[in-house]
Amino acid sequence: TQLLEQSPQFLSIQEGENLTVYCNSSSVFSSLQWYRQEPGEGPVLLVTVVTGGEVKKLKRLTFQFGDARKDSSLHITAAQPGDTGLYLCAESGGGADGLTFGKGTHLIIQP
Amino acid sequence: KAGVTQTPRYLIKTRGQQVTLSCSPISGHRSVSWYQQTPGQGLQFLFEYFSETQRNKGNFPGRFSGRQFSNSRSEMNVSTLELGDSALYLCASSLGGLLAGNTIYFGEGSWLTVV
Repeated sequence: TQLLEQSPQFLSIQEGENLTVYCNSSSVFSSLQWYRQEPGEGPVLLVTVVTGGEVKKLKRLTFQFGDARKDSSLHITAAQPGDTGLYLCAESGGGADGLTFGKGTHLIIQP
Repeated sequence: KAGVTQTPRYLIKTRGQQVTLSCSPISGHRSVSWYQQTPGQGLQFLFEYFSETQRNKGNFPGRFSGRQFSNSRSEMNVSTLELGDSALYLCASSLGGLLAGNTIYFGEGSWLTVV
């Protein structure tokens, strides 16, 4: 079973600051997904990265997939209180393990 | 279109009882997967059903079971409840299942408290 490690576990910053959170694996990802989960709701898919070295942008969010496809990062520019939530990375190899999630980064953006 | 609907949203059960949770996927989606989320273990995969057949199963004891009906609606059942089963149970649906690149959509979850 692939293990996904996310760091940091908790992050609290002021509005307007930049931040980066990470997702690392002991083995190669077939593809990687990033989700955001707000309190009382289910996770919502932000992006899927598939190709090593891939960079995807979603407004102020930038997602990078490592060249070796064993790590990924999410960078948020000029964070806003609406970015507060639990950020999860997940990998699906399509096999018996289903969808494997990291434990997430709890992000709080203070106004 | 309507999203993934889970019922009930909140419930409290006593140790030893059993519970059934329900999930209605997005119309047209044939895959339904279930997850348990706890503060300590995070989000963990329980099982996936596709066209009424269990396709994948996570590492949970046999007390956790599920099924899918011909209209793609799914239920999961937990028997002989333990305190540690207290969690948010999430259901997700997708068109093609848990394959690389497929988008899955989560419901809001069912909060189960075992006392």
